[in-house]
Amino acid sequence: DAGVTQSPTHLIKTRGQQVTLRCSPKSGHDTVSWYQQALGQGPQFIFQYYEEEERQRGNFPDRFSGHQFPNYSSELNVNALLLGDSALYLCASRLRAGTPVINEQFFGPGTRLTVL
Amino acid sequence: AQSVTQPDIHITVSEGASLELRCNYSYGATPYLFWYVQSPGQGLQLLLKYFSGDTLVQGIKGFEAEFKRSQSSFNLRKPSVHWSDAAEYFCAVMEYGNKLVFGAGTILRVKS
Repeated sequence: DAGVTQSPTHLIKTRGQQVTLRCSPKSGHDTVSWYQQALGQGPQFIFQYYEEEERQRGNFPDRFSGHQFPNYSSELNVNALLLGDSALYLCASRLRAGTPVINEQFFGPGTRLTVL
Repeated sequence: AQSVTQPDIHITVSEGASLELRCNYSYGATPYLFWYVQSPGQGLQLLLKYFSGDTLVQGIKGFEAEFKRSQSSFNLRKPSVHWSDAAEYFCAVMEYGNKLVFGAGTILRVKS
């Protein structure tokens, strides 16, 4: 059973460009969350998707957007990249039915984005 | 807003020695608390979680944590550290909607 997978592993972009990161949730999971982990910091919540809609959002600008597909996979898009967007982007998935007490979030290995 | 503080950025312990990583949280209601471990190039792996009940929680890899409401703490412990425990450890509290708020992390180094 594959866990959460993310692609690509690494990515280098220049300021002003746009980037798309991809996440496939663990089999059986229907909810995907995205986190940004800057160097030397803990992960910060960007947003969460289920039923193909954004349900909750952290303190990130509109340059950060996402999408969830019918097969529950998800994309994170960042427009007009800034140097400060350089970070590890983590995807986490869970099964929404039931409670957080029961349904653990599983994290993927992340995509390392470098903005030059 | 909820917050999590991990006061120690780095900790070095000898292999076989005991370990305690500190975590303090700020949360108005009864918190859901977690400890995750992150090895280089890896995602986050859940070590243990606390929701209610017994304040001493057992996790994987021989780790345990104790919830102390009076001190707003959820410290992670291990009686005997192995070299393979070297990694970064994150404490987190769950907010409404299953959003996790993480501390800044503690890097554990194990010396032989």
